[in-house]
Amino acid sequence: GAVVSQHPSRVICKSGTSVKIECRSLDFQATTMFWYRQFPKQSLMLMATSNEGSKATYEQGVEKDKFLINHASLTLSTLTVTSAHPEDSSFYICSARDPRDTYNEQFFGPGTRLTVL
Amino acid sequence: AQSVTQPDIHITVSEGASLELRCNYSYGATPYLFWYVQSPGQGLQLLLKYFSGDTLVQGIKGFEAEFKRSQSSFNLRKPSVHWSDAAEYFCAARPYGNKLVFGAGTILRVKS
Repeated sequence: GAVVSQHPSRVICKSGTSVKIECRSLDFQATTMFWYRQFPKQSLMLMATSNEGSKATYEQGVEKDKFLINHASLTLSTLTVTSAHPEDSSFYICSARDPRDTYNEQFFGPGTRLTVL
Repeated sequence: AQSVTQPDIHITVSEGASLELRCNYSYGATPYLFWYVQSPGQGLQLLLKYFSGDTLVQGIKGFEAEFKRSQSSFNLRKPSVHWSDAAEYFCAARPYGNKLVFGAGTILRVKS
């Protein structure tokens, strides 16, 4: 099956710094990737849809300037949390849509735990 | 409002007992439906999905789910739970396009 990886799996940073999270599709080319955020004991909330070669589409309430998304290639999307603050601490999960799949199924990465001190 | 509802936040079952996790959706048209499992600190693993056709869907790890249009439900079942099934389970719907909408999740505890 399709495999999606994320790096790093865990990151701790100081308040005010920026953190980049990578999402890669390992065995397929993903024209569309998705970024989700999950607070402790809560469900996943879609942050944005990342389309290769174009600007990301952000969900209502998500700050575009704070959560920068780049999808420069068909196998890599990055999420950069700029000027991170403790309230940005969360579990970030990406998924990628396999265009070969008839039903456009999304395959999820293992997630990245961000802790901002 | 259009949404996915998992009414049970926590469920505890004995090992070997049967399990049913509830999921209801509220969309005008039948969305694509999914069940995912998440172990602590891990990503999501797809258990099964329903797009159309047979309303009883078989998944991995011995799980199955039944789509009932009349009840707008897609409940997950397993006849005999194992201790390794303890995790959080998310029901999700894809009503249109690519956007997945998740329920709040149900935490399953298995007691020996």
